[in-house]
Amino acid sequence: QVQLVQSGAEVKKPGSSVKVSCEASGGSFSTYGISWVRQAPGQGLEWMGGIIPLFGTTTYAQKFQGRVTFTTDKSAITGYMEVTGLRSEDTAVYYCARNVVVTGIPGYFDFWGQGTLVTVSS
Amino acid sequence: QSALTQPPSASGSPGQSVTISCTGTSRDVGSYTFVSWYQQHPGKAPKLIIYEVKKRPSGVPDRFSGSKSGNTASLTVSGLQPDDEGDYYCTSYAGSNTVVFGGGTRLTVL
Repeated sequence: QVQLVQSGAEVKKPGSSVKVSCEASGGSFSTYGISWVRQAPGQGLEWMGGIIPLFGTTTYAQKFQGRVTFTTDKSAITGYMEVTGLRSEDTAVYYCARNVVVTGIPGYFDFWGQGTLVTVSS
Repeated sequence: QSALTQPPSASGSPGQSVTISCTGTSRDVGSYTFVSWYQQHPGKAPKLIIYEVKKRPSGVPDRFSGSKSGNTASLTVSGLQPDDEGDYYCTSYAGSNTVVFGGGTRLTVL
């Protein structure tokens, strides 16, 4: 059974960048997608976007376009999310989730990482 | 991409049934069978409990069931147990490789 293991908590200054990794232990993302979901303190889940390595497609939620970049390594075992121009409102837990792709569509998230807390504070 | 609408809270006594709704539009819930539900306990990652409207992953009890009618999907939890308490989120495919979440429902077992 695959486990998604994310990098550790980060504390960043406003205006800086953060890069979070997500490794598929016991599997890969080669026939799946990786989505990134964030959860601000006390708030709900918010889809940020995702990448489907098999099709080479990357999609960003409108709110995050231009500030977020998703990539994977060549083996599609590790996915990355980079957020630039960090603001205090970006303080949240960031989750990666494996997307089951059905007929090219990111259908649902079957496995989730443990979450990475990113704190943005001066 | 507007969030799907869920009631902020729901509750029931042990053994009872509770249904949580998830209302979208004809551009998401109404157009696709890619509706899924996730359970989240405090401080934990979400867990998939229903996918493609009504399918259950292996290991999820059949007390959890899903359905959809028009632009509204529903999650029913039967035979409520204390461990069912937590937050529940729906999602739907919304076209163009995008996904939209519901605002979440906090389920309390009285």
